[in-house]
Amino acid sequence: DVKVTQSSRYLVKRTGEKVFLECVQDMDHENMFWYRQDPGLGLRLIYFSYDVKMKEKGDIPEGYSVSREKKERFSLILESASTNQTSMYLCASSGGGRAGADTQYFGPGTRLTVL
Amino acid sequence: AQSVTQPDIHITVSEGASLELRCNYSYGATPYLFWYVQSPGQGLQLLLKYFSGDTLVQGIKGFEAEFKRSQSSFNLRKPSVHWSDAAEYFCAVGAFGNEKLTFGTGTRLTIIP
Repeated sequence: DVKVTQSSRYLVKRTGEKVFLECVQDMDHENMFWYRQDPGLGLRLIYFSYDVKMKEKGDIPEGYSVSREKKERFSLILESASTNQTSMYLCASSGGGRAGADTQYFGPGTRLTVL
Repeated sequence: AQSVTQPDIHITVSEGASLELRCNYSYGATPYLFWYVQSPGQGLQLLLKYFSGDTLVQGIKGFEAEFKRSQSSFNLRKPSVHWSDAAEYFCAVGAFGNEKLTFGTGTRLTIIP
């Protein structure tokens, strides 16, 4: 089975802190994604990566950056956390490269609270 | 651009009753369609997917969905729900040549005894 793990289930940070959320997948997938999930808004794509060191902005990249130094690991960085970044963050991975949409496998999520 | 609409924010059904969750998509070519389920505090789990072929797709946990091109719909069904089906359900659309999926806003399902 595909396994996607996220470094923390719950995280509490203060406004202005730099926050790192890490995601690791064990299926050698090319694509990895970061979403945020808010009530009534569904899942919104922040960034995705289709290869090591390659990334593309999603629908809501402002205030976030990402890093993919190794194929299995994709990090989301909040440069200076703000209260409006309080949310559930979900990581996902998929195979298939750039050929097209494929099943995305999700981690359990990180619930981030920024005070 | 592709889009997905889940018109029902919240549905309540009795245990043992049948269920249908609606999903409408917008996309010019043949879409790739997915249904995911999210239990409270968890990530999303794939229930089923449609890429091509038979328009009636069987998934896990006794769910099925039917792709209807003429109605741009991909509704999820289950003949008899169980209390453990209480969760949030998301429909998603993707396409050939595009790695990304577009998710609907979700339908929360409550089961009453």
